[in-house]
Amino acid sequence: EIVLTQSPGTLSLSPGNRATLSCRASQGVSSSYLSWYQHKPGQPPRLLISAASSRATGIPDRFSGSGSGTDFTLTINRLEPEDFAVYYCQHYRNSLVAFGPGTRVDLK
Amino acid sequence: QALLVESGGAVVHPGRSLRLSCAASGFRFDGFGMHWVRQAPGQGLEWVAVISFDASDTYYADSVKGRFTISRDNSKNTLFLQMNSLRPEDSALYYCVKDLGGWYIAGAMDVWGQGTTVSVSS
Repeated sequence: EIVLTQSPGTLSLSPGNRATLSCRASQGVSSSYLSWYQHKPGQPPRLLISAASSRATGIPDRFSGSGSGTDFTLTINRLEPEDFAVYYCQHYRNSLVAFGPGTRVDLK
Repeated sequence: QALLVESGGAVVHPGRSLRLSCAASGFRFDGFGMHWVRQAPGQGLEWVAVISFDASDTYYADSVKGRFTISRDNSKNTLFLQMNSLRPEDSALYYCVKDLGGWYIAGAMDVWGQGTTVSVSS
């Protein structure tokens, strides 16, 4: 079973800052099956990144994903007010899906 | 535009059963795998189950295996989740979710419904 750990738990930043979110897997995983989601209160989650680095349809290019093996990163350049939310990484392997515990990006 | 609308959430006693439905529109439903994902109050996202595009394969989280059954009716563009032997810890907002892949399960989830709430309490 793969366990995903995200850090930090909370990131306090201001609009215009860069956010760097980490996702670490308990064992090496295929980047083809690593995704990132944004979740705001009262809304369903939104797919941001699939296959570790491929932006989903309609996602602004200030969002980027990278990484391989056990370490993956979501970077948000020049935070906009609408970017303050909880971000989850997620992996699929052997017919099982795992979500990380999430990183909250809030307003400093 | 792809749309998923869940229904069937309710307040039920422990040990009882409930069936959730999800009506899909705006995309070729029979061409994609589908998931159920839940979020308990104040908690993160938890994957529940997945079904392949043709219902030939189904997989479950350990927490629901043997109690929940995912199924689909491609003729009616509808996804189901049969939940038996419900426990208080099953209380959550349940999302119906489309998989990004087609004939294969990609694991990435690109269309989400608004969710339906299940509360299990005596």
